[in-house]
Amino acid sequence: SQELEQSPQSLIVQEGKNLTINCTSSKTLYGLYWYKQKYGEGLIFLMMLQKGGEEKSHEKITAKLDEKKQQSSLHITASQPSHAGIYLCGASRGDYKLSFGAGTTVTVRA
Amino acid sequence: DAGVIQSPRHEVTEMGQEVTLRCKPISGHNSLFWYRQTMMRGLELLIYFNNNVPIDDSGMPEDRFSAKMPNASFSTLKIQPSEPRDSAVYFCASSFMSHGEQYFGPGTRLTVT
Repeated sequence: SQELEQSPQSLIVQEGKNLTINCTSSKTLYGLYWYKQKYGEGLIFLMMLQKGGEEKSHEKITAKLDEKKQQSSLHITASQPSHAGIYLCGASRGDYKLSFGAGTTVTVRA
Repeated sequence: DAGVIQSPRHEVTEMGQEVTLRCKPISGHNSLFWYRQTMMRGLELLIYFNNNVPIDDSGMPEDRFSAKMPNASFSTLKIQPSEPRDSAVYFCASSFMSHGEQYFGPGTRLTVT
């Protein structure tokens, strides 16, 4: 979706290193969703952020939503091979529709 | 819960044939979504059902596409006749509320030759 810009498009990280993915919207978001997809599989829900300044963590993954609710970041600490995949952000304007970014492909090198 | 179930996982068919994709949402979820994912266009919403009623089908590309939800535990997406440009991965997703997090099925990879 052109409404959401994800960066980078892809990245390669050495196992054990940290990585950050960004998702930027030109409009204020009602909600921001992070999903992970592996090739040939469906999207796995990771986290949802709604409040400006909100931060959530699950295991080694942390997601933040900025105060203006127009940018979110996903940070992975000490990456592992299991973190490899495509990460997509999805934006809600307050109704049922989710607009998705193009995705960031993460490769973790052993 | 088994999650969202889709069948078949893979479908290869010839142009002009009818294709039916099936979805069983998570029990208790009242919202169901059909998406299509391609390299060129990413993930696109095709149709949205709430309480088995189609609410928004503006994403359905053509009249060749139709979707039904006869009950709370089953939905179908039909393409008739199929064309090579319909080749994509089709996902079904469900959510407890219309604007809550959506849970996706494993998808159906459709190839039309």
